[in-house]
Amino acid sequence: DGGITQSPKYLFRKEGQNVTLSCEQNLNHDAMYWYRQDPGQGLRLIYYSQIVNDFQKGDIAEGYSVSREKKESFPLTVTSAQKNPTAFYLCASSTGRTGRRVFGQGTRLTVV
Amino acid sequence: GENVEQHPSTLSVQEGDSAVIKCTYSDSASNYFPWYKQELGKRPQLIIDIRSNVGEKKDQRIAVTLNKTAKHFSLHITETQPEDSAVYFCAAKDSNNDMRFGAGTRLTVKP
Repeated sequence: DGGITQSPKYLFRKEGQNVTLSCEQNLNHDAMYWYRQDPGQGLRLIYYSQIVNDFQKGDIAEGYSVSREKKESFPLTVTSAQKNPTAFYLCASSTGRTGRRVFGQGTRLTVV
Repeated sequence: GENVEQHPSTLSVQEGDSAVIKCTYSDSASNYFPWYKQELGKRPQLIIDIRSNVGEKKDQRIAVTLNKTAKHFSLHITETQPEDSAVYFCAAKDSNNDMRFGAGTRLTVKP
């Protein structure tokens, strides 16, 4: 359901590894976002993209990277520079930055 | 930038009672205020939203009120049911079109 799909649902990373989280949407939305969710905290914006081949840093971009080669796809790479990557990651999309966000089901990343 | 504070962080009510969650925001130019419901392990889902030109909006058992002068908005759930148990997030879209989220309220409805 929902039109925006994240994979995998659970991901385990060894220290020092880069991992990539997938986000695909078939809603024809222009804007896509990555949020990080930690217990007791609101959703914090990592990166966002308003159009293909363009993206902007959010509040907590350090240690993360993204690409937007296709309108439908906005993968997030958690690099080894991210010192505390264990969290729940949510991807979202909207028709524009003023539009309603639709969220994916999330990926829970754990460092082992 | 915008700062959104949400209270309480946890809320427990008896089935049939009402629940109220409050949020305050800092950017007086904020003009859009959605509320999301997130069940355990699932995606946040929009349940109701309000724009700054409206003071109140209702959808069945759910209502949102907005006080622009005081810069706060509230979610009201009446006749609560166990399936209302979830984490609820408020958000505010500020003058830069950035959406800022509150820290969430874990609502438990006891049967």
